[in-house]
Amino acid sequence: QSALTQPASVSGSPGQSITISCTGTTTDIGSYNYVSWYQQHPGKVPKLMIYDVTNRPSGVSNRFSGSKSGNTASLTISGLQAEDEADYYCSSFASSSSHVVFGGGTKLTVL
Amino acid sequence: QLQLQESGSGLVKPSQTLSLTCAVSGDSISGSGYSWSWIRQSPGKGLEWLGYVYHLGSTYYNPSLQSRLTISIDRSQNELSLKLNSVTAADTAMYYCVRGPTVTRGWYFDLWGRGTLVTVSS
Repeated sequence: QSALTQPASVSGSPGQSITISCTGTTTDIGSYNYVSWYQQHPGKVPKLMIYDVTNRPSGVSNRFSGSKSGNTASLTISGLQAEDEADYYCSSFASSSSHVVFGGGTKLTVL
Repeated sequence: QLQLQESGSGLVKPSQTLSLTCAVSGDSISGSGYSWSWIRQSPGKGLEWLGYVYHLGSTYYNPSLQSRLTISIDRSQNELSLKLNSVTAADTAMYYCVRGPTVTRGWYFDLWGRGTLVTVSS
């Protein structure tokens, strides 16, 4: 069981927007702005898409955005494209002894 | 350009020790100011952070693995290493060497090796 809770799957049609949620607690997401998101295509290495809740690394499309409210962080992908179909993982700093927690991952299907 | 390359035992027998190294090229591990992590992914499963070592040598481990895990830096070889003892089939996974997280640089994982698959089987 993962420390952060994500929906197992989400789907959307090309051009639409989707949001993936990531729910933690007051010891991780709720107290720190250290949420990051990773995209992983099948058989590929995970790629950093969002860090510090809202920041995009250089080269990541501005169709990807992040936000946070309380203990829940969200990744929004606008203007869905077929290439966005992948697994997405959230991660956060945790003040518990683990320091790092991941979500269980969300499979995005572009219909 | 910074690159991470994992290597090590691809097949390990149950109860034995899994040993992996990660060669870092394009930067000095000890002089970088970054932390360096191992993350694994069991077949068809999600990402699991194993632990990280700060460039000065201090380590932090996933509590669920702390009793079996050692992560260290070899400054002479500019390599990161992982040793996991008393392995079982549950330790079968793709193991990734990753840069981060670092409190002074950002709490995220920004550079990943290609990963190395480790199978635990007799």
